[in-house]
Amino acid sequence: GQNIDQPTEMTATEGAIVQINCTYQTSGFNGLFWYQQHAGEAPTFLSYNVLDGLEEKGRFSSFLSRSKGYSYLLLKELQMKDSASYLCAVTDSNYQLIWGAGTKLIIKP
Amino acid sequence: GAVVSQHPSRVICKSGTSVKIECRSLDFQATTMFWYRQFPKKSLMLMATSNEGSKATYEQGVEKDKFLINHASLTLSTLTVTSAHPEDSSFYICSARDPGQGDNEQFFGPGTRLTVL
Repeated sequence: GQNIDQPTEMTATEGAIVQINCTYQTSGFNGLFWYQQHAGEAPTFLSYNVLDGLEEKGRFSSFLSRSKGYSYLLLKELQMKDSASYLCAVTDSNYQLIWGAGTKLIIKP
Repeated sequence: GAVVSQHPSRVICKSGTSVKIECRSLDFQATTMFWYRQFPKKSLMLMATSNEGSKATYEQGVEKDKFLINHASLTLSTLTVTSAHPEDSSFYICSARDPGQGDNEQFFGPGTRLTVL
């Protein structure tokens, strides 16, 4: 079956760095997305990786290793507004999005 | 970027009534739209894929007679929850692909919070 694993919850301190991991087993691979979702709101796009390596976008970076079925989202200089759920999603061979359950990130002062 | 709107943002209805939710792509034509539901503290669950001019493709376990989807134009898809019951209370989110920005990314609407009393 298709499966995406990410930690349920993580806690970090304002100003610090946090890495959220995601591992996946899917039928085919056509890219991996990271979305941010604040409570009661729809997801917003953060990053897209289809090739191995690191994509940097401001305070957020995303890494992909297709051979390992592994990705991480790196958040630097954490701010209180970064408290949210972070969803990892993989596009399979049929271009369907397979969603992880999300990682709730709690930022403490 | 591509913008998707949803209406209404919040609806409260009595059990047994029907509720229609609209999803619009505002600045692009979306041949494919997706409908998700999300229960509290749970991930998104794909309900159906809506293709313009044809019948929607429903995911396993989703009742097509209860969740009616119509994608009559390239910018509008509607989800009607028929004879709603309290267990249908959820956060419903639509998304759409913009062919002009590559085929992979989905742009999400702001969601509709449905509460059935």
